[in-house]
Parts: sequence; structure tokens; C-alpha cells
Amino acid sequence: DAKTTQPPSMDCAEGRAANLPCNHSTISGNEYVYWYRQIHSQGPQYIIHGLKNNETNEMASLIITEDRKSSTLILPHATLRDTAVYYCIVRITGTASKLTFGTGTRLQVTL
Amino acid sequence: DTEVTQTPKHLVMGMTNKKSLKCEQHMGHRAMYWYKQKAKKPPELMFVYSYEKLSINESVPSRFSPECPNSSLLNLHLHALQPEDSALYLCASSQDSGVEYGYTFGSGTRLTVV
Repeated sequence: DAKTTQPPSMDCAEGRAANLPCNHSTISGNEYVYWYRQIHSQGPQYIIHGLKNNETNEMASLIITEDRKSSTLILPHATLRDTAVYYCIVRITGTASKLTFGTGTRLQVTL
Repeated sequence: DTEVTQTPKHLVMGMTNKKSLKCEQHMGHRAMYWYKQKAKKPPELMFVYSYEKLSINESVPSRFSPECPNSSLLNLHLHALQPEDSALYLCASSQDSGVEYGYTFGSGTRLTVV
């Protein structure tokens, strides 16, 4: 699986949009971009995934650049409950293959 | 039911004890996983089961023994552990098909080896 690079930490004011970047310059054509988050002492939670088109669900939006070498997870209106470690992962979908976590970005949402 | 349930939530065991961690899901997922997470580190994959067969073992020591008795259950048998094995053990499941909506993780078992 391709490696990803994320900033170790970010801050965001409550109510503002949180934009979390991820670089995955060695991504292959059949690898998807996944985002998970882990709130303290809980199991990771799936947020969203995409191949090349932008995706949106009730939790977040995923913007993937045209060359697919980077992506941004957007939480449109961050709340204190969004404080967590956010992991960007690239992998092939549809198989019981490895979901390998990098070091992630620790997002702190403040008042 | 859209959850992965792990029991127990907390476990303290001695180095000579034998214990088991249990994981259960009723989402019809055919792939199940064990992860280990040390404090302030990302989860690390230990084992992958696909259709009740072990498909990936990430060179885990034999004192950890996984078992998948049926498509809904996954166990991790522990024997002769070391204090450095103290960690959060996470179970996850996924559809293992052409369509995937992400892995579903349990809340974990926090294991302390004394």
C-alpha cells in the first residue's frame, strides 16, 4: 500500500471548517483514499473514502486532486466532539487486505 | 446491528495466565481483523481472517493465537504474555466483497499484563 504523509497536529475553532491535508504521491491507479478517525480510547471510525471524484457524506467531504497525489478531508462545521486523531490511508478496496495506519493528524477543536 | 462487540473491555492478567479476547459482529461481514495499539501509537495489524480462514499473520508471536469459530465470532487466545504486550486490542470487520464501506471497529479490550 502507498504511504501517506500528514501533519502531526492541527487546531480548529469550533464552528469553523477543518481542512485536513494528506499527501499520497505514490498512490496506484487502483488504490482508494480512506479516512478514519480515532477519538481518545475508542476504536477507529470510518469517515469516507474515494477513488478520484470528490465525495461527500453526512460526516465530511473528501477532495482528491486531479493527479490523485494529495487529498483533503473537510469537516464543514467542526465541534468539540470532532477532536480526534485523523488517519489518511490508501489501499485497494474490495478485499480482506491490510488497512495500515500511519501516524495521523491530531485535530484539536477549541472554543 | 451495525456494531462490533468486544469483551471484556478491560483485562488484567499475569504472565502465566491463559485468557481469551472475544469479538462478535452480526453484519454479515466475512472478513475480520485483530489490531494491537500501544499508547500514543497508531493501530498495528496482527491477523486477518477471510471467510473464517486465516489469510494474514503479521509475524505475531505464538503466544497470541487467533481463532475464528464461525463467520460472526473472532477470538484471540493469550498465553504466557509479557508486560510489553499490554495494549489496546482492537477487532474490526469488513464486507470483503467488491463493494466496501469501510472497516467497522470495536471499542477494544484494554489489556494489562502484570
